[in-house]
Amino acid sequence: DAGVIQSPRHEVTEMGQEVTLRCKPISGHNSLFWYRQTMMRGLELLIYFNNNVPIDDSGMPEDRFSAKMPNASFSTLKIQPSEPRDSAVYFCASSLSLRDGRVKQYFGPGTRLTVT
Amino acid sequence: LAKTTQPISMDSYEGQEVNITCSHNNIATNDYITWYQQFPSQGPRFIIQGYKTKVTNEVASLFIPADRKSSTLSLPRVSLSDTAVYYCLVPVTGGGNKLTFGTGTQLKVEL
Repeated sequence: DAGVIQSPRHEVTEMGQEVTLRCKPISGHNSLFWYRQTMMRGLELLIYFNNNVPIDDSGMPEDRFSAKMPNASFSTLKIQPSEPRDSAVYFCASSLSLRDGRVKQYFGPGTRLTVT
Repeated sequence: LAKTTQPISMDSYEGQEVNITCSHNNIATNDYITWYQQFPSQGPRFIIQGYKTKVTNEVASLFIPADRKSSTLSLPRVSLSDTAVYYCLVPVTGGGNKLTFGTGTQLKVEL
């Protein structure tokens, strides 16, 4: 299994530009998560999907951020317009939803975003 | 909302056993306790998960007392490559598969 795949691995863009981050979850997993990690705030959950449906987007910082999951094998996180304070590492994770209290997420390698 | 508390940092030397304790006083009846490891510039990696008593795998052991209000991750004979941040997690109450990562414990292993 290839694990969770994210692209690009690095992104450098100028303030005001649109940024799109991509994620391919592990085949068969039905939950997908987007996280952001910075030194100041640590690892924050932005949004998560269950069976391609957004369940909780309370972590999305503002309307400039949007996420979609058009099918079970692909998700995007878009920032428009981007700002320097969006610079961070963005992780995608996927998991198989179990109803017995076990939660086990598999993380991708992350996308390091730098907004100048 | 289940919360966890763990030490911010720990130091150790190669070959020693390291025990990291986490408290989770409000853990729900059905919740499992999960530990992740994160190296710089990488995503968190699942280490071990347990519900009660003791769980052991090729990487670590997890000890959970009967009241389940705490757990201890045990790393036997650590090496320099075990230097990483270790997160203790329990599911968010009513949050489905949602996990909330705290600050974790920065383990530094020296020669």
